[in-house]
Amino acid sequence: GQNIDQPTEMTATEGAIVQINCTYQTSGFNGLFWYQQHAGEAPTFLSYNVLDGLEEKGRFSSFLSRSKGYSYLLLKELQMKDSASYLCAFMDSNYQLIWGAGTKLIIKP
Amino acid sequence: TAGITQAPTSQILAAGRSMTLRCTQDMRHNAMYWYRQDLGLGLRLIHYSNTAGTTGKGEVPDGYSVSRANTDDFPLTLASAVPSQTSVYFCASSDSRSGGNEQFFGPGTRLTVL
Repeated sequence: GQNIDQPTEMTATEGAIVQINCTYQTSGFNGLFWYQQHAGEAPTFLSYNVLDGLEEKGRFSSFLSRSKGYSYLLLKELQMKDSASYLCAFMDSNYQLIWGAGTKLIIKP
Repeated sequence: TAGITQAPTSQILAAGRSMTLRCTQDMRHNAMYWYRQDLGLGLRLIHYSNTAGTTGKGEVPDGYSVSRANTDDFPLTLASAVPSQTSVYFCASSDSRSGGNEQFFGPGTRLTVL
C-alpha cells in the first residue's frame, strides 16, 4: 500500500532552524514535493526532489533518501511569516500526488 | 497574470441541491486536478484530467463529476450534495510534460452543505 506521514504540529523560535520530517511508503515513486500553505490560502510550491541528496533554495532546503523513504524540509533563520502548514507529497507510479496531512509550524518571537 | 481562478469563493448549499464549482487556468497547462481538503487529512484527489477531452477518477470520486471540454476550464459538479461534502475544494493545474510536475493551485472554494 501507500502511505505518508509527517508530524501534526511543531513550534520554533524566530531566528532559529527547524527540520520537518516526512516518511513515506510506496511501490512506485516519481519524486517528493514540499508545499507551504498559509491559513485560509492555497498551497504554494516550495521544492521537488527526485534524486537522493540535499536541494538548497535560499533559507529553505529539502533532503531526500529514497532507500529510507524519508525526506525533510529545513527552514533557516525563521521569520514570523514562516508560520504556516508545510505539506509533504510524493508522486506515485501513476504520476498522481499522495499528500500528507501537513505539519503546522508555529513561530514564537 | 491570473493563473488559476475558482468560483465561487464560498457557498452554503442545502443538502440534495446540485452545484458546479468553476475552475479556469490561463497557463495552457495540459493537466488539471480537483482536490478536497478536510481538517486533519491531506489533500485528496477527486478527479483529474491529463488533457482536454479526457478525465479520470481520483481517490474520492463518488458524488462528483467533471468535464474537460477545453484546455482552460475544468468544472466540478455535485449532483446531489450531502453534508459529508462540506470541505474546501482546490483546483490545480500542471504542465505534466515538463520535469517536476509542479502543481499550481487556485484560491479554493469553501463549501458548506447543510
